[in-house]
Amino acid sequence: ELKVEQNPLFLSMQEGKNYTIYCNYSTTSDRLYWYRQDPGKSLESLFVLLSNGAVKQEGRLMASLDTKARLSTLHITAAVHDLSATYFCAVDSVMNRDDKIIFGKGTRLHILP
Amino acid sequence: ETGVTQSPTHLIKTRGQQVTLRCSSQSGHNTVSWYQQALGQGPQFIFQYYREEENGRGNFPPRFSGLQFPNYSSELNVNALELDDSALYLCASSLWTATKAFIYEQYFGPGTRLTVT
Repeated sequence: ELKVEQNPLFLSMQEGKNYTIYCNYSTTSDRLYWYRQDPGKSLESLFVLLSNGAVKQEGRLMASLDTKARLSTLHITAAVHDLSATYFCAVDSVMNRDDKIIFGKGTRLHILP
Repeated sequence: ETGVTQSPTHLIKTRGQQVTLRCSSQSGHNTVSWYQQALGQGPQFIFQYYREEENGRGNFPPRFSGLQFPNYSSELNVNALELDDSALYLCASSLWTATKAFIYEQYFGPGTRLTVT
């Protein structure tokens, strides 16, 4: 059974600091996603990582994937208050037609001004 | 190109009642998945529909059922509502190409907030 673990689950940090959120998953997966969710809102897709060594960057966020270690990281550079949200990593497998996405529990990020 | 839409936005029901949630998939998509997100948790897969048939199911009881229509829109029905059914219900659409045996990225709708009292 595919399982996804994120850590930390809660992170409070000062503006201007750097930090990394970690995502481990239990079995081979075809795609790894990072989503952002603001309170009461739906999921906003940030990154889709498809292959080993994939690295994607958007603004102050950078995501990477190590399929051999079954690990993805979301790195935040020089955090700003607007990045406060809950971040989910999720994985799926398209080996079967049943393409369900398995989510981690999320990392609630609170950036202090 | 229209995105994924869901209705209603919010809903309040009483325990034991039945509810129907609706989802219109993104233009060009043929697969719809439903997820339940309880407060403070990650979304959990309920089921997926492809070509009007259920195409996989998560760990949810039979009182959670669904439909997909020829236009690929979908409904989620929940019977005998329980307090624990209170959650944000998300649908996501994607494109499954049988010839390539590949599903493209899922796109999520805004969600329906269901409160059961």
